[in-house]
Amino acid sequence: DQQVKQNSPSLSVQEGRISILNCDYTNSMFDYFLWYKKYPAEGPTFLISISSIKDKNEDGRFTVFLNKSAKHLSLHIVPSQPGDSAVYFCAASARVNYGGSQGNLIFGKGTKLSVKP
Amino acid sequence: DVKVTQSSRYLVKRTGEKVFLECVQDMDHENMFWYRQDPGLGLRLIYFSYDVKMKEKGDIPEGYSVSREKKERFSLILESASTNQTSMYLCASSSPTGRGATEAFFGQGTRLTVV
Repeated sequence: DQQVKQNSPSLSVQEGRISILNCDYTNSMFDYFLWYKKYPAEGPTFLISISSIKDKNEDGRFTVFLNKSAKHLSLHIVPSQPGDSAVYFCAASARVNYGGSQGNLIFGKGTKLSVKP
Repeated sequence: DVKVTQSSRYLVKRTGEKVFLECVQDMDHENMFWYRQDPGLGLRLIYFSYDVKMKEKGDIPEGYSVSREKKERFSLILESASTNQTSMYLCASSSPTGRGATEAFFGQGTRLTVV
């Protein structure tokens, strides 16, 4: 059973517009959420994170929003650029020792973002 | 600069071969992970280790084993490679230091093809 869900396998956006990538989770033990970006034939790179004590975290063009009551988070990219085209993975972890070591990340299936010039 | 290094970018092995995938990190991280990435399935955890000689099964451990004899090195072993193990394999490390500091750093990946 998927604990972290990214229901949109792909998203296409025009350059300069906003990209919104969504992620839902089911496990209320998760208290730390991350977004990773992955280009083909490369490992994922960390993009931005948010702790459950916050509802928003911003870093340049990237903002992550967390709605704990809905168990939903989203990544906003504004403005979108062609270089943002990649697969974006949402991940979650629990700081308490839940089902294994602290720091174990559970990933969604990813959303492929295409930003068109 | 943090670094996770996987020994090979591309590997081609025959069915039935024993395959070793090596991963080394230079950040003194306690946690190390092996994932595989397949189209439409995202990143699935195979095994992880939170200390030397410690290991835990992830979501898809069947057909794999791991070894962690030193803190910086985590090896994934395919005892008898099969074609359904053709995949991109990703190693990661992290350190559970304080509140929310569980960002994992990934290696560049190993594209394994089993023929």
